[in-house]
Amino acid sequence: QVQLQESGPGLVRPSGTLSLTCAVSGVSISSSNWWGWVRQPPGKGLESIGQIWHSGTTNYNPSLESRVSISVDKSKNEFSLQLNSVTAADTAVYYCAKGPYGGDEFFQHWGQGTLVTVSS
Amino acid sequence: AIQLTQSPSSLSASVGDRVTIACRASQGISRTLAWYQQKSGKGPKLLISDASTLEAGVPPRISGSGSGTDFTLTISDLQPDDFATYFCQQYSTFPLTFGGGTRLEIK
Repeated sequence: QVQLQESGPGLVRPSGTLSLTCAVSGVSISSSNWWGWVRQPPGKGLESIGQIWHSGTTNYNPSLESRVSISVDKSKNEFSLQLNSVTAADTAVYYCAKGPYGGDEFFQHWGQGTLVTVSS
Repeated sequence: AIQLTQSPSSLSASVGDRVTIACRASQGISRTLAWYQQKSGKGPKLLISDASTLEAGVPPRISGSGSGTDFTLTISDLQPDDFATYFCQQYSTFPLTFGGGTRLEIK
């Protein structure tokens, strides 16, 4: 059974860096085509942040591309998100997710999400 | 980016009812559309991919249809567990985008 669990600071200062980790269990991180991050501001809809493919190739939402980085640590079976120069607009619940084995870009498995608040 | 417009944004229904949620894409996306269910405080759950392919474990009273720009999610014989928020998502073109959501409430 695939399980994803986000972790990281719940409060980040404006202009700081948001760093989150997604621990993967039930499957090897090397076995899936891609892994990704999605966020949801309080009371709002979902926004795709980006993905990292098995090859190491990354795709980032153009609206965030200049500030975001996604990486994989195969030794720990986890992947991470970094978002730089954050503002209050980056306050959201952040979800990590896994794509299907076929490579299509829908989100087959999701974590529970973690709320990150940007505030001084 | 492709925009997805869901309608209605909210609806009320009773247990046993049949409801339909629409998702319209700003340009044609063939059948590259997924539907998710989200309950308060939890991550979304995949229901349907490729517009009409049911994810394992999802009851057959939930169905999806459509292609091109117009898609629907239909839930028959509503059960208490179905009252949640539903999102559509397109994966035809990067960036991946989601609809605004439809909140399904008990009447």
